[in-house]
Amino acid sequence: DGGITQSPKYLFRKEGQNVTLSCEQNLNHDAMYWYRQDPGQGLRLIYYSQIVNDFQKGDIAEGYSVSREKKESFPLTVTSAQKNPTAFYLCASSIDGYSNQPQHFGDGTRLSIL
Amino acid sequence: AQKITQTQPGMFVQEKEAVTLDCTYDTSDPSYGLFWYKQPSSGEMIFLIYQGSYDQQNATEGRYSLNFQKARKSANLVISASQLGDSAMYFCAMTLYNFNKFYFGSGTKLNVKP
Repeated sequence: DGGITQSPKYLFRKEGQNVTLSCEQNLNHDAMYWYRQDPGQGLRLIYYSQIVNDFQKGDIAEGYSVSREKKESFPLTVTSAQKNPTAFYLCASSIDGYSNQPQHFGDGTRLSIL
Repeated sequence: AQKITQTQPGMFVQEKEAVTLDCTYDTSDPSYGLFWYKQPSSGEMIFLIYQGSYDQQNATEGRYSLNFQKARKSANLVISASQLGDSAMYFCAMTLYNFNKFYFGSGTKLNVKP
């Protein structure tokens, strides 16, 4: 079955540590996205990529970094510069970054500070 | 700037009754799409229904329908014959036709009572 796989499901970060969240898709989608969701809130865009080897900052990119070396993969690194990383992180993809298509989401990663 | 507003933080509905979840949006772009997503407590985002700004008829998908009132800039979700499994968070989202960046509302938590 085609879909989006996020791992791990739960992640704990120590102070001063960088952690990387994995997102893989086998939908052959060009565009991929990372969102952050805080309790009781909507989704906020961190980074997005419309094509391989290209990505743009979203609304809350500070303290995060991404790479897009392969079409299938869009990992998110939460750096030590992100002072409040505890949240639910969702990865999504869409056919492309231009047309009016729904985004498909993974199951998410819950990140907490130790 | 684009904005999505969901004014109902939480709602209750009796099983088998219909319920309307409100969504208003703001954009100056004439070409846009409106989406509804369901987020169960497990966290994944499930695409429910889509309405394009140029669509003449209201969208329907099974028990879901979208009451699209373009002049009022509203895109309310109607769920008919509510089921216990409909209990979840519901998010309204908007994207522009030429750029698949999603703008999400803050969500409505629906509780279906037996």
